Amino acid sequence: QKEVEQDPGPLSVPEGAIVSLNCTYSNSAFQYFMWYRQYSRKGPELLMYTYSSGNKEDGRFTAQVDKSSKYISLFIRDSQPSDSATYLCAMSGGAGSYQLTFGKGTKLSVIP
Amino acid sequence: GAVVSQHPSRVICKSGTSVKIECRSLDFQATTMFWYRQFPKQSLMLMATSNEGSKATYEQGVEKDKFLINHASLTLSTLTVTSAHPEDSSFYICSAQGQSYNEQFFGPGTRLTVL
Repeated sequence: QKEVEQDPGPLSVPEGAIVSLNCTYSNSAFQYFMWYRQYSRKGPELLMYTYSSGNKEDGRFTAQVDKSSKYISLFIRDSQPSDSATYLCAMSGGAGSYQLTFGKGTKLSVIP
Repeated sequence: GAVVSQHPSRVICKSGTSVKIECRSLDFQATTMFWYRQFPKQSLMLMATSNEGSKATYEQGVEKDKFLINHASLTLSTLTVTSAHPEDSSFYICSAQGQSYNEQFFGPGTRLTVL
C-alpha cells in the first residue's frame, strides 16, 4: 500500500460546479497537510496548508482533514475554467520530519 | 508569497554532456532546498535534500555522483546532471523551505531533454 493514495482522474466538471478532491494516507505520523495546484509544465503552487484535523477556508477553496480516517479533501466552489490543472495532495510528519510525501495528483478540467 | 526561480526553464543537450540547473529563492533565505524529479503523468519524486553549507542528502536509488548538488548560499542551490543520458530526460523541480519547516515553495521547473 502506498503511503498516499490519490485518484488520478481525469475529472471533468461544468463551470460553476463544486469540485471534491480527496486523498487517503496510511502513515499516522503525518500532521501537516497541503494541497498544491500544478498547471501543465509548471511547478506546483501551494494552495492550502493545514495542521492536524479540521477545516480551513480560503476564498473558493476549503480543505478538510480527518486524521481519524486518514482522509483529506479539497473542495472548490463555483469552479472556473482557470481552475483546470492537476491538484496534488502532500503531507509531512512532525518536528524533524519535514519531507513532503505527494499523492499522484488529480487532473481537473472545468468546462465552460 | 515566497518566490522561487529556476534557470534554465528548458534545456536540450547531447548524450554525455553535463547540465547545470539553478534554483534561487528570490525574496527569502532558504537553509534547506529540495530537488524533485517528475515524469509525465507522475507525481513528484524527491531526489535529494540540500542544506546550505553541507553535503546534500540523497534519496535511496539516486546516484549522488551523477546528480551533483551544491547549496552555496542561502538563496542558491544548483543541480548538475553529469554525463546525461536519454533516460535522464525529465522535469526537474526545486523547492525551498519556508519559515514553517513543513512549508515548501516550488520553482517553475526545468525540462531536460537529452538526445
